[in-house]
Amino acid sequence: AQSVSQHNHHVILSEAASLELGCNYSYGGTVNLFWYVQYPGQHLQLLLKYFSGDPLVKGIKGFEAEFIKSKFSFNLRKPSVQWSDTAEYFCAVNSYTGKLIFGQGTTLQVKP
Amino acid sequence: NAGVMQNPRHLVRRRGQEARLRCSPMKGHSHVYWYRQLPEEGLKFMVYLQKENIIDESGMPKERFSAEFPKEGPSILRIQQVVRGDSAAYFCASSPLGAASPYEQYFGPGTRLTVT
Repeated sequence: AQSVSQHNHHVILSEAASLELGCNYSYGGTVNLFWYVQYPGQHLQLLLKYFSGDPLVKGIKGFEAEFIKSKFSFNLRKPSVQWSDTAEYFCAVNSYTGKLIFGQGTTLQVKP
Repeated sequence: NAGVMQNPRHLVRRRGQEARLRCSPMKGHSHVYWYRQLPEEGLKFMVYLQKENIIDESGMPKERFSAEFPKEGPSILRIQQVVRGDSAAYFCASSPLGAASPYEQYFGPGTRLTVT
């Protein structure tokens, strides 16, 4: 069965620190990969997505992610976080049936 | 273009009552997905529907839960005889195409169901 694993459940950083959130998936076929963000009290918003092509994808708000097929990974990065990045981050895989399979989520707390 | 609409945003039900959650997809989207987020957990897929068809209900509990997406009107997720364990946030998402197409799913604000 497909699964998505996010390594960090709770991350605390100071402003201007660099961020990397790990995401690994298990699926042998073609995948579409996503990072969603849920700000406090808001609904999920798409940060970035990978369908094909350049494995380094850039998203909104300075986020980027790198798809490494050999490692089944799609880690999210940001060089310098801001207090406003405090949110919950979800990695997801789009299966062949269309449904999204989500990781457990990572809560990011950025201290001003 | 209005986003995915869900109502109600908050719903309180007593044990044994029925809960009906509504989702109106984005304009032009004919594929709807329902997900449930239990406390301290990630989102779990429940069901995938197209107009008048259930495509994948592999994540739906076998009893008490049902979903529909009629030709006209919103998609409905219905939970009969609710229990405390049904308390969760229920999110709806829509996309213009389904299956493994290169389109992301757009999420609604969710309905937070509390069973007392």
